[in-house]
Amino acid sequence: AQKITQTQPGMFVQEKEAVTLDCTYDTSDQSYGLFWYKQPSSGEMIFLIYQGSYDEQNATEGRYSLNFQKARKSANLVISASQLGDSAMYFCAMREASYSGGSNYKLTFGKGTLLTVNP
Amino acid sequence: KAGVTQTPRYLIKTRGQQVTLSCSPISGHRSVSWYQQTPGQGLQFLFEYFSETQRNKGNFPGRFSGRQFSNSRSEMNVSTLELGDSALYLCASSLDRLSSGANVLTFGAGSRLTVL
Repeated sequence: AQKITQTQPGMFVQEKEAVTLDCTYDTSDQSYGLFWYKQPSSGEMIFLIYQGSYDEQNATEGRYSLNFQKARKSANLVISASQLGDSAMYFCAMREASYSGGSNYKLTFGKGTLLTVNP
Repeated sequence: KAGVTQTPRYLIKTRGQQVTLSCSPISGHRSVSWYQQTPGQGLQFLFEYFSETQRNKGNFPGRFSGRQFSNSRSEMNVSTLELGDSALYLCASSLDRLSSGANVLTFGAGSRLTVL
């Protein structure tokens, strides 16, 4: 079963408008972390925002905010006031143990959403 | 502060050859992880090195190996290359192991390998 699901292969948004990129996850762990990364066409993965499972407040980083709904297991990324430079692939990722009860962790990524910002 | 540096950025190999990719982490970062990115499989975890020891390994065949040096620099090696090994190989470093908290992976720009 997919651990991270990003249901939007592609999204379009007008410059200066807000956009929400969806992410749902599946885990039985009580403690986990959720990350969003941006990957421009250059290939480098750029960290955007982090949300811990015990964090009561939604994470915010500048124009990025994470809409965390724990009961629904969703961690949607909201980008306010989109800019042309926001056009890129966006990945949701979850820190999870490599095996149940283990202490080795890795990031598991979703398939990504390609965001295009139109002028 | 210099980011994660990966070399080479692009390379072309033929089936059966081997390849070595290099990764220099951010100064002070002790953990280095490697990920493979392909259009079909997406991003998949290869392995993690910490204090010169492989701490964690993904579901890849033994042809994929790596090591970490005392200065935290890491190399990964793929032997007997197959067409399916064509991918973007991303290296990421972090201060400590990815066990808890907001310990963030910082990625390099990747090494794009094409196998002909």
